[in-house]
Amino acid sequence: NAGVTQTPKFRILKIGQSMTLQCTQDMNHNYMYWYRQDPGMGLKLIYYSVGAGITDKGEVPNGYNVSRSTTEDFPLRLELAAPSQTSVYFCASSSSATEAFFGQGTRLTVV
Amino acid sequence: AQSVAQPEDQVNVAEGNPLTVKCTYSVSGNPYLFWYVQYPNRGLQFLLKYITGDNLVKGSYGFEAEFNKSQTSFHLKKPSALVSDSALYFCAVRDINDYKLSFGAGTTVTVRA
Repeated sequence: NAGVTQTPKFRILKIGQSMTLQCTQDMNHNYMYWYRQDPGMGLKLIYYSVGAGITDKGEVPNGYNVSRSTTEDFPLRLELAAPSQTSVYFCASSSSATEAFFGQGTRLTVV
Repeated sequence: AQSVAQPEDQVNVAEGNPLTVKCTYSVSGNPYLFWYVQYPNRGLQFLLKYITGDNLVKGSYGFEAEFNKSQTSFHLKKPSALVSDSALYFCAVRDINDYKLSFGAGTTVTVRA
């Protein structure tokens, strides 16, 4: 049972490039989340989803897009990367009455 | 809109002394409440949760938390802190009628030997 898997673990992007952060879970959870954590800071919610085909914006959605075509996968797309998107990105999943399970994070640097 | 406040950026205690990390929340309905811990360069580890039932919740590594509805608080406690408890602690809330999960800004706990 792998839980929540994020790929890649590390990535360096040049300004203006695009990339997709992958997140998959094998716990059949309906709820999935993307957060970013800047150095020494808390978690800010980017996007979240209650199930396939349904997504909602969180606190800091600008510059990001998501899709949820299956229960298992919730990829996060960065378009036109900017230095302000340098951060650690965490994906999480949960069911209606459980805690959220987190992936190990993707450390992204935009130069 | 729901929110979580952790009023202390840092908490410093001596090993063996009680540890308390404060959390207050705001939701429209009834809350689900959670505590997580993060060690340097690691992901988030779940400590404990309040869903329903007893207001005093016991979790991993000797931690407990008390849900106080009138004060909208969910403070994390440990009777006797260890140096290994030094980490970043996050409180989180979700309204039972929603699925948005919001986190506080985090509290850095330092336990000195």
